[in-house]
Amino acid sequence: GENVEQHPSTLSVQEGDSAVIKCTYSDSASNYFPWYKQELGKRPQLIIDIRSNVGEKKDQRIAVTLNKTAKHFSLHITETQPEDSAVYFCAATYYNNNDMRFGAGTRLTVKP
Amino acid sequence: GAVVSQHPSRVICKSGTSVKIECRSLDFQATTMFWYRQFPKQSLMLMATSNEGSKATYEQGVEKDKFLINHASLTLSTLTVTSAHPEDSSFYICSARIRVQGAWGYTFGSGTRLTVV
Repeated sequence: GENVEQHPSTLSVQEGDSAVIKCTYSDSASNYFPWYKQELGKRPQLIIDIRSNVGEKKDQRIAVTLNKTAKHFSLHITETQPEDSAVYFCAATYYNNNDMRFGAGTRLTVKP
Repeated sequence: GAVVSQHPSRVICKSGTSVKIECRSLDFQATTMFWYRQFPKQSLMLMATSNEGSKATYEQGVEKDKFLINHASLTLSTLTVTSAHPEDSSFYICSARIRVQGAWGYTFGSGTRLTVV
């Protein structure tokens, strides 16, 4: 089955700096890679996703890149703000498999 | 659209009792529901996949007799934690696959914080 690894486990940045979180996956058939932001005790919130037919996707301060050959994808947050502080999870799945596997999570702290 | 309503949000039960958690798809039909468990400061771990009208598929290490899953209709899936013990205390969350504007994704319930005392 799919195995997703996520690094780093914790990340602390100054407000305004960029933050990068990286994930690797094992199943070359995976074709959907979402990123979720989770605040304590709440459901994961989708912040951006990418499908295997594109290499990069951007939404304002958030971008995701995908390298299918290397089987890794990354989340980039620019101009970080204190409200970006949360735990971020990457995930990977493919259409016919249905279920989704999560990375271990990254606790991002943005210091004002 | 594509909302999954999960109840209860919090439950405290005594050791040895059973607790039922419900997930309802409000405006779509969920043929498949995924159940995750999340311990403090850890990731979401898939417990089982429920399919409407058939038996659930459990992940390795998850006791099917302890975590009973029922998916009797296209809009309701339930997880029952039987004979709960303190080590079952966790955050349980369901997820359904959805189709939005021709593309598919996932939507999550709001989660259930279970505390077994």
